[in-house]
Amino acid sequence: DAGVTQSPTHLIKTRGQHVTLRCSPISGHKSVSWYQQVLGQGPQFIFQYYEKEERGRGNFPDRFSARQFPNYSSELNVNALLLGDSALYLCASSADSFSYNSPLHFGNGTRLTVT
Amino acid sequence: QQQVKQSPQSLIVQKGGISIINCAYENTAFDYFPWYQQFPGKGPALLIAIRPDVSEKKEGRFTISFNKSAKQFSLHIMDSQPGDSATYFCAAEDDKIIFGKGTRLHILP
Repeated sequence: DAGVTQSPTHLIKTRGQHVTLRCSPISGHKSVSWYQQVLGQGPQFIFQYYEKEERGRGNFPDRFSARQFPNYSSELNVNALLLGDSALYLCASSADSFSYNSPLHFGNGTRLTVT
Repeated sequence: QQQVKQSPQSLIVQKGGISIINCAYENTAFDYFPWYQQFPGKGPALLIAIRPDVSEKKEGRFTISFNKSAKQFSLHIMDSQPGDSATYFCAAEDDKIIFGKGTRLHILP
């Protein structure tokens, strides 16, 4: 079975630009969540979508947005990139909206570098 | 605001020894406490998890000890092996998940 797939794996952008990151969940999983992992830190929750509706939002500015499509894949968009947005962006999928009902399965992430 | 504090930052253990990683939380609304293992270049993978109504959970060589009154929980890795060398994250969850900053574990062969 295919795991969570994220694209692209690496990306280099310039300050002020916009970026779109993509995530395909495990087949049958209806929940997708996004995390930012700065080097040497734990993942920080950005968004969760379940059945195409936003279920949770972390403490990130409005420059960050996301959506989930009818096939449950998801996009994370970041506008007006800052140097501090450089990080590994992780996507996770689960069958349910709560981790204790169904565990999170993470992709290997997109490494974003902003110069 | 760091709601989950993890220690130590790094840990070196001899092969066959016991690795112990500790976490403390502040929010009493947290009701699920997972541990994740992350290898370089990979996303985190769920290792073991516990609910607050249980004081201990064991799966193979991995054990979570949970102290609700102290708001602390820990991961014990028995008979640590070189393949266990990775970064470990504790986490706590209510309606969203909060991760600790991680512990880099190195097992000496």
